Amino acid sequence: QQQVRQSPQSLTVWEGETAILNCSYENSAFDYFPWYQQFPGEGPALLIAIRSVSDKKEDGRFTIFFNKREKKLSLHITDSQPGDSATYFCAAVATGGNNKLTFGQGTVLSVIP
Amino acid sequence: DPKIIQKPKYLVAVTGSEKILICEQYLGHNAMYWYRQSAKKPLEFMFSYSYQKLMDNQTASSRFQPQSSKKNHLDLQITALKPDDSATYFCASSHGTSYNERLFFGHGTKLSVL
Repeated sequence: QQQVRQSPQSLTVWEGETAILNCSYENSAFDYFPWYQQFPGEGPALLIAIRSVSDKKEDGRFTIFFNKREKKLSLHITDSQPGDSATYFCAAVATGGNNKLTFGQGTVLSVIP
Repeated sequence: DPKIIQKPKYLVAVTGSEKILICEQYLGHNAMYWYRQSAKKPLEFMFSYSYQKLMDNQTASSRFQPQSSKKNHLDLQITALKPDDSATYFCASSHGTSYNERLFFGHGTKLSVL
């Protein structure tokens, strides 16, 4: 049973458009949600994260919107650039979870120039 | 320079053999982890260590044994290899083990078991 789900599996946008990546979770104990970005041949790298007490977290062109009631969150990438082409993983962890992240299966983003 | 070094980058093994995946981190972190990424599953947590002590083990099989000879080393020994063990194994580290500590990942070791 997958506790963190992501959609779509893959997404293609034009340069300059906004990419929206979705994530949902099942475990109500999850209260911290980092997003990781992974380029081919590399390990994942932290991009941005949000705690469940917030409904929005912004960092430059990257924004997380969080809906605790519906157990959903989304990552918005505005003004998408070809260099943003990567796989994006939504992850979740509970307070006291000893940094044991539960990852979704990822969304592969392609940004066309 | 990479701060988390994993060796080798690629590894081919035959079914039933044993391999050791090497991980060293030069970030001065106190916690280290192993995660596995296979084609059919999300990135999965395997082990966490803090100050060279096992904190959490989510791997059902005893064929997977982490080994920590130094605070900045966490190797992974895999015995009796099976084709299902084929995956990319990522080592990671963080300053502490608090739930919101940033994880830093290595580039991974891609293991193929024939």
